[in-house]
Amino acid sequence: NAGVTQTPKFQVLKTGQSMTLQCAQDMNHEYMSWYRQDPGMGLRLIHYSVGAGITDQGEVPNGYNVSRSTTEDFPLRLLSAAPSQTSVYFCASSYGKNEKLFFGSGTQLSVL
Amino acid sequence: KQEVTQIPAALSVPEGENLVLNCSFTDSAIYNLQWFRQDPGKGLTSLLLIQSSQREQTSGRLNASLDKSSGRSTLYIAASQPGDSATYLCAVPLFMYSGGGADGLTFGKGTHLIIQP
Repeated sequence: NAGVTQTPKFQVLKTGQSMTLQCAQDMNHEYMSWYRQDPGMGLRLIHYSVGAGITDQGEVPNGYNVSRSTTEDFPLRLLSAAPSQTSVYFCASSYGKNEKLFFGSGTQLSVL
Repeated sequence: KQEVTQIPAALSVPEGENLVLNCSFTDSAIYNLQWFRQDPGKGLTSLLLIQSSQREQTSGRLNASLDKSSGRSTLYIAASQPGDSATYLCAVPLFMYSGGGADGLTFGKGTHLIIQP
């Protein structure tokens, strides 16, 4: 049981490039979410999903897209990276919406 | 908008001491509250989850209390150990719905705890 797996662990992008941060969980959790963590700002919710085929916006959704085609996977797409998206990104999942949240180990992204 | 504040921002104590970390939130209509631990370069680990109807939860040397009416929660760590050194964060639901239920979490900025051997 691997829990929540995020790839890659580190990534450097140039402004305007696109990329996808991968997130997979093997706990059959319905609820998945993406957060970014910035110094002085804490963790902020980007997007979340309550089940396959259902996604919704969090607190800071601009510049990010998500989709949820399977229960296991919840990728986060940056269509045109900007320096303001330099951050540490965490994927999290839980069995239900308001239950104990399990986090991945994070992706450190730098946009130059 | 719900805001979560944690005091102190940093704390350094000798091993063996009992200590209290504080968390306050501005909107008392919360669904539940979670305490997390974050080690450097790692993800968050959920320590305790308190439902809005509960007053406290215990796990080993950790005890979390919740006072919804005053918008406060405390995390009590008994007999602290160097392995307890980490950043501790509390979080409450971000979106609350009038029909019940909640989505997402909003976090405090954390208390950075150092336990000196």
